[in-house]
Amino acid sequence: DTAVSQTPKYLVTQMGNDKSIKCEQNLGHDTMYWYKQDSKKFLKIMFSYNNKELIINETVPNRFSPKSPDKAHLNLHINSLELGDSAVYFCASSLSNQPQHFGDGTRLSIL
Amino acid sequence: GESVGLHLPTLSVQEGDNSIINCAYSNSASDYFIWYKQESGKGPQFIIDIRSNMDKRQGQRVTVLLNKTVKHLSLQIAATQPGVSAVYFCAETGGGSNYKLTFGKGTLLTVNP
Repeated sequence: DTAVSQTPKYLVTQMGNDKSIKCEQNLGHDTMYWYKQDSKKFLKIMFSYNNKELIINETVPNRFSPKSPDKAHLNLHINSLELGDSAVYFCASSLSNQPQHFGDGTRLSIL
Repeated sequence: GESVGLHLPTLSVQEGDNSIINCAYSNSASDYFIWYKQESGKGPQFIIDIRSNMDKRQGQRVTVLLNKTVKHLSLQIAATQPGVSAVYFCAETGGGSNYKLTFGKGTLLTVNP
């Protein structure tokens, strides 16, 4: 019955690799988001999709590419991983003008 | 640029006391404010929200106060219990976009038995 689910929960990989994180929501929301939380717990939005259309694209390296195959899914692909990409990545979803609901995060560690 | 910040990075209270977590924001166009709680290993969890046409809103054992004049937001937790120990974030959005949440730095609330 998980509302916003992300996979994998943990991701440990080598610098230079390409990896994907998946997110699915079963709340019927029309907007989905990706956030990055650094080691100091600071949360910053990266991307947002509304009805599969990109509506927010913050200053994020183009190595990061979101993909929304349908309104219930928003995946994040990262190319050429760097040490600075180590963080916790959160997916969230919402209806317009409503609070965002977050998943439990994907902990990405770059070796 | 515009930012949302917290006055105290940590707050330690005794069980049963009331807790007050403060937040300052700088975007005068902000019109929607949310408090989130984040437990270790979990994602942020919605606590309560308030829109700019209100200055106070009460939930279950929590109250949010909004002072638009000084751009200040606070979360009051009544009779704090150990289970509420977590990091608390304020977040704001507005200026025409309800999608772009800007989060504050977070306050770690520790409840001592």
